[in-house]
Amino acid sequence: AQSVTQLGSHVSVSEGALVLLRCNYSSSVPPYLFWYVQYPNQGLQLLLKYTTGATLVKGINGFEAEFKKSETSFHLTKPSAHMSDAAEYFCAVSPNTGGFKTIFGAGTRLFVKA
Amino acid sequence: EAGVAQSPRYKIIEKRQSVAFWCNPISGHATLYWYQQILGQGPKLLIQFQNNGVVDDSQLPKDRFSAERLKGVDSTLKIQPAKLEDSAVYLCASSLDSAVGTRKDFGPGTRLTVT
Repeated sequence: AQSVTQLGSHVSVSEGALVLLRCNYSSSVPPYLFWYVQYPNQGLQLLLKYTTGATLVKGINGFEAEFKKSETSFHLTKPSAHMSDAAEYFCAVSPNTGGFKTIFGAGTRLFVKA
Repeated sequence: EAGVAQSPRYKIIEKRQSVAFWCNPISGHATLYWYQQILGQGPKLLIQFQNNGVVDDSQLPKDRFSAERLKGVDSTLKIQPAKLEDSAVYLCASSLDSAVGTRKDFGPGTRLTVT
């Protein structure tokens, strides 16, 4: 069975500060991992994904995430927050063997203070 | 490239009424998904189509929800009769194929309020 836990439903940072959004997963088979961003009144947009290979994955808008198998984590980071980063972020997991649906976390809303 | 289109964007109905949502996926995308996103939760897959066939509808409340994808392109999702707990954003997404790592493109969603 798969599950995703996003720690913190709300995160607030100052503009220019480090962004860290936490995601832990459980999966009975090696997973594919995803981060999506959702701006108000818009659909989800893929930020980045981990499938195989390098565990540090770079995405759009300066975001990156690191797959840590020993910690079952896939935390999302950005060195310097921008006002335009304010949005809701979803972590998601799929088993790489296929046949199962993608499971989304509950989401973390990021607030950026001027 | 045009994105995934959905209509209407907003809908308010009373409980026990019926409602239908429409989705036009990206041209050439064989796989189409309908998700339900309840406030404060992540999207939950309701149904997945591969062309015009259903791949997964295990989480679709079939006593009140139905969906079809005629000719493997556009899709409609219907709720009849609606319940208060159906209030949510209904997201349509499409992808080139159903492989796990394939990128999904999401539409803007339809926000349903059931009163």
